[in-house]
Amino acid sequence: SQQGEEDPQALSIQEGENATMNCSYKTSINNLQWYRQNSGRGLVHLILIRSNEREKHSGRLRVTLDTSKKSSSLLITASRAADTASYFCATESGNTPLVFGKGTRLSVIA
Amino acid sequence: DGGITQSPKYLFRKEGQNVTLSCEQNLNHDAMYWYRQDPGQGLRLIYYSQIVNDFQKGDIAEGYSVSREKKESFPLTVTSAQKNPTAFYLCASSRRDWGGYEQYFGPGTRLTVT
Repeated sequence: SQQGEEDPQALSIQEGENATMNCSYKTSINNLQWYRQNSGRGLVHLILIRSNEREKHSGRLRVTLDTSKKSSSLLITASRAADTASYFCATESGNTPLVFGKGTRLSVIA
Repeated sequence: DGGITQSPKYLFRKEGQNVTLSCEQNLNHDAMYWYRQDPGQGLRLIYYSQIVNDFQKGDIAEGYSVSREKKESFPLTVTSAQKNPTAFYLCASSRRDWGGYEQYFGPGTRLTVT
C-alpha cells in the first residue's frame, strides 16, 4: 500500500535556487517523515513532523504539513549540487510502520 | 561506530537458487525492516520485526522469508518462489516500529538473478 505520493516525480533546478517537493496522502496520520537517498545508497532521515505541527525547520530545510488537505511540502533553500538526490516522504498511521512514497528525483545543476 | 550493515553489496545468483541477504545493527533497536526498491520506484515493505522471535509480513512478502533469532540480526532469504527477485534490497532499523521513530538504513544489497 503506497500512502504518500510525491510531486513532481522529477525536478531540475540551478544551484542557488529553491526546490519544493510535495507529498499527498490518503488517510489520517500520526506523523510524516522526509528521507533523502543518494543514488545507489540507503535512505537518510531528514525531518519528522507530527500531525499537530504545521511547520518545522532544519538548516536549509523547511517542512509544512496541512492535515486538512492531507499534504506536506519540503522546501530546500539555496540548493547546492550536493543536494542532488531522491527525496521520499513516509507516513505513519495508527500503530503500523512507515509507508513510503515513490519519491522526487532532484537534480541541482552547478 | 554505531550503525546498520548489509552484506554483500552486490549479489549474483542463478534462477532457482535461494539466497540470503545479511543485515546487522548495533544500535540496540527493537524494530527491523526489509524493503525492496525497483528502479525509479519507492520502497515496498517485505517483512518487519518488532521483537526477537517475532515478525510480520509486509505488502510483498510472497517468495521471501526472514528470521529474528537475535536482536542485532534480521536476515532475508529470497527463495526460488519469488518470481522477479532482481532488485535493490534495503534493511532498516528503528527503536520501535511506530510512535514517531526515524528509521536508520543500511547501504543496501543489489541482487541480480539470471
